[in-house]
Amino acid sequence: QSALTQPASVSGSPGQSITISCTGTSSDVGSYNLVSWYQQHPGKAPELMIYEVTKRPSGVSGRFSGSKSGNTASLTISGLQAEDEADYYCCSYAGSFVFGTGTKVTVL
Amino acid sequence: QVQLQESGPGLVKPSETLSLTCTVSGGFISGYYWSWIRQPPGKGLEWIGYIFSSGTTNYNPSLKNRVTISVDTTKNQFSLKLRSLTAADTAVYYCARQGYCDTTSCFDYWGQGTLVTFSS
Repeated sequence: QSALTQPASVSGSPGQSITISCTGTSSDVGSYNLVSWYQQHPGKAPELMIYEVTKRPSGVSGRFSGSKSGNTASLTISGLQAEDEADYYCCSYAGSFVFGTGTKVTVL
Repeated sequence: QVQLQESGPGLVKPSETLSLTCTVSGGFISGYYWSWIRQPPGKGLEWIGYIFSSGTTNYNPSLKNRVTISVDTTKNQFSLKLRSLTAADTAVYYCARQGYCDTTSCFDYWGQGTLVTFSS
């Protein structure tokens, strides 16, 4: 069970939109709509941002949105803010969990 | 507000067994799935396994032969045992609840994490 593939880093200026991809296989990401996304600030525990591909927990900013096409899921952050600078991980559930390799988001 | 707190030794030796406990407060352990997840320093997250409050377990295939997760509903705790330790097991270990989403496919509450370091 290999880790899902994410870009190592993505950057953008304040106010811009960025998209983080998460590529798996037909056995994980492509199988079910059970992809979640987590934000992790340095030294902190991860925080749930998106679940079941597109759903957003209450309290999470509407600037975060998720989507999926085939074996690739994506997280989009619109109106980028300084506080969005963090590591982001995708996660797929298909009987067992597999996380992505992680993406460092930098706000320029 | 549900809170999770990991406890256990911060230093382990070769071939020993790591034992960690996660204490749940502000809510009941019953009726939920609970997971252990780890993160080596500077690296990504790795799911170790989960347990349902009834005792049903599911483990990461890559760790299955070395892992045991158990639950004690009377103490509102669940525990991790990881055997035959090596340097590769050095990581921050998190406990987490699979909740919020009806499919139990996401982690809504996390502990703060506990660093376990391998020492020869």
